[in-house]
Amino acid sequence: NAGVTQTPKFQVLKTGQSMTLQCAQDMNHEYMSWYRQDPGMGLRLIHYSVGAGITDQGEVPNGYNVSRSTTEDFPLRLLSAAPSQTSVYFCASSRGYEQYFGPGTRLTVT
Amino acid sequence: KNEVEQSPQNLTAQEGEFITINCSYSVGISALHWLQQHPGGGIVSLFMLSSGKKKHGRLIATINIQEKHSSLHITASHPRDSAVYICAGVIQGAQKLVFGQGTRLTINP
Repeated sequence: NAGVTQTPKFQVLKTGQSMTLQCAQDMNHEYMSWYRQDPGMGLRLIHYSVGAGITDQGEVPNGYNVSRSTTEDFPLRLLSAAPSQTSVYFCASSRGYEQYFGPGTRLTVT
Repeated sequence: KNEVEQSPQNLTAQEGEFITINCSYSVGISALHWLQQHPGGGIVSLFMLSSGKKKHGRLIATINIQEKHSSLHITASHPRDSAVYICAGVIQGAQKLVFGQGTRLTINP
């Protein structure tokens, strides 16, 4: 199993640009989530999904969209990037109490 | 509100020392993960605890449900243990996590 994969690993955007962070898992997990990690703030939940076709907002959803058309994929879309979205983004999947994280995407918005 | 508090925020020790990192959590959290993140690296779940104690190599994690407190211990610490350790609570009835701020551990040779 590849586990949880994320692409890209690094990205630089200009303010106002849009992009999609990709996340995929091959463990057939129903629950997937996106977090951002900022210095001094810890990890914060952006959006999550309990299964294909079902998504919900987390703690910091503004400026981000998600969709879950398949069990495997859970992309995160930045609609109009802002410098405040400079962060490291982690995707995770879980079943029960098992928790797996992707390697992260380091995003810089200038 | 579901909350997780960790201490200390930073910890520096010499190789070989016994390390303890503490985590307190609020009502509504049914289990805890201890996560490890190396500098510039990904996040790995070391343990998931809902009761008692777990051991893996030199790492030991304990949880006291009544006191809502968990500890992560590292015996015979080594420079490769240098990382950020994060306590994450599983919200009761859901699979959502709430995270502590993390403890940055540095083990000097």
